[in-house]
Amino acid sequence: EVQLVESGGGVVQPGGSLRLSCAASGFTFDDYAMHWVRQAPGKGLEWVSLISGDGGSTYYADSVKGRFTISRDNSKNSLYLQMNSLRTEDTALYYCAKDYVRAHDAFDIWGQGTMVTVSS
Amino acid sequence: SYELTQPLSVSVALGQTARITCGGNNIGSKNVHWYQQKPGQAPVLVIYRDSNRPSGIPERFSGSNSGNTATLTISRAQAGDEADYYCQVWDSSTASEVFGGGTKLTVL
Repeated sequence: EVQLVESGGGVVQPGGSLRLSCAASGFTFDDYAMHWVRQAPGKGLEWVSLISGDGGSTYYADSVKGRFTISRDNSKNSLYLQMNSLRTEDTALYYCAKDYVRAHDAFDIWGQGTMVTVSS
Repeated sequence: SYELTQPLSVSVALGQTARITCGGNNIGSKNVHWYQQKPGQAPVLVIYRDSNRPSGIPERFSGSNSGNTATLTISRAQAGDEADYYCQVWDSSTASEVFGGGTKLTVL
């Protein structure tokens, strides 16, 4: 079964850091680009970041550029999001998602999300 | 930055056809994907690359894309189709994925 499981969420103070993880199973992980997408409480979906299958290319939303870093360890079938200088507006449920077939394609598999709360 | 515009809400009578639009500048030149999200659940892909259905998605779901508007059509709407729907594209000019604001579908 194809599955993505996020972890690492929690409560952090403004200015703090957090590292999210996403464990993948059921597919050849390094064949696919991966994404982080977030959803603030009661709000819509917001794309955060993308990393290519080999990890050589990364992209970020302007709202997180310079503060967040996406990475992956293909030997561990794992995706990561290092979040620094966190702000209250980063409070959201963070999903990892897999590209469907090719680069910049639809997101066919989503995890259940991990909640990040930035609050003093 | 590239923007996608969706109506906040759409209502449809049980068994009738719902159409949810997604507007964007020359969106017809891009691949549009659609997601369904029910309360407390992760999004589910229902249409990819304008008009293709993933395995397991009913034929009642279809999509089209032309000019400045992409449309998700849900035929013979059921109570179980009540959800938020999001469109999404890749914008190569800004190297970013873009989601529409989402549309809440109500089945009356």
